[in-house]
Amino acid sequence: DAGVIQSPRHEVTEMGQEVTLRCKPISGHNSLFWYRQTMMRGLELLIYFNNNVPIDDSGMPEDRFSAKMPNASFSTLKIQPSEPRDSAVYFCASSEARQVAEAFFGQGTRLTVV
Amino acid sequence: QQPVQSPQAVILREGEDAVINCSSSKALYSVHWYRQKHGEAPVFLMILLKGGEQKGHEKISASFNEKKQQSSLYLTASQLSYSGTYFCGTEIAGNQFYFGTGTSLTVIP
Repeated sequence: DAGVIQSPRHEVTEMGQEVTLRCKPISGHNSLFWYRQTMMRGLELLIYFNNNVPIDDSGMPEDRFSAKMPNASFSTLKIQPSEPRDSAVYFCASSEARQVAEAFFGQGTRLTVV
Repeated sequence: QQPVQSPQAVILREGEDAVINCSSSKALYSVHWYRQKHGEAPVFLMILLKGGEQKGHEKISASFNEKKQQSSLYLTASQLSYSGTYFCGTEIAGNQFYFGTGTSLTVIP
């Protein structure tokens, strides 16, 4: 398997624009996680899905953020409208189960909002 | 909710040992350890479950003290490849998961 695949790797956008980040989890994994990493706040869990269903989205900063998982092989994180403070590295990770399995991270998307 | 790690940063010479601590204010169900190299994604090291077990492979091991709500990562005879930022991840009640504040470890020749 190629591992967790995220796209794009880098995204530069202007404030107010819509941004969509994409993730393809490892085949057979039934849990998917979206994280955000910044120098100030470290690694933050934004949302996680189990069997394509959002289980915990308490980490989503505000209504400008939304995430979907239409099927077991694809998820998106959307920010609309984007703001400079959204600049961060966004990681997607997948695992076989929520609690006891290791999570495999994608290479991340570095988002810069100017 | 975020667990606190100590120290924040440590510099070692090759061959030296290090201990990284992770402390939570909440009761823990499990503790995960990850290492992240600069510009890369975090990579899983190990998971410790309730029961006070200790896990490890080669020269990296960890312990989990439920009563103290703490975990420690032990790196022995450090190698240059051990350099990176180490994160603990803690699972608490309600299936909530938080990564720690991170510990930067630098191994020099």
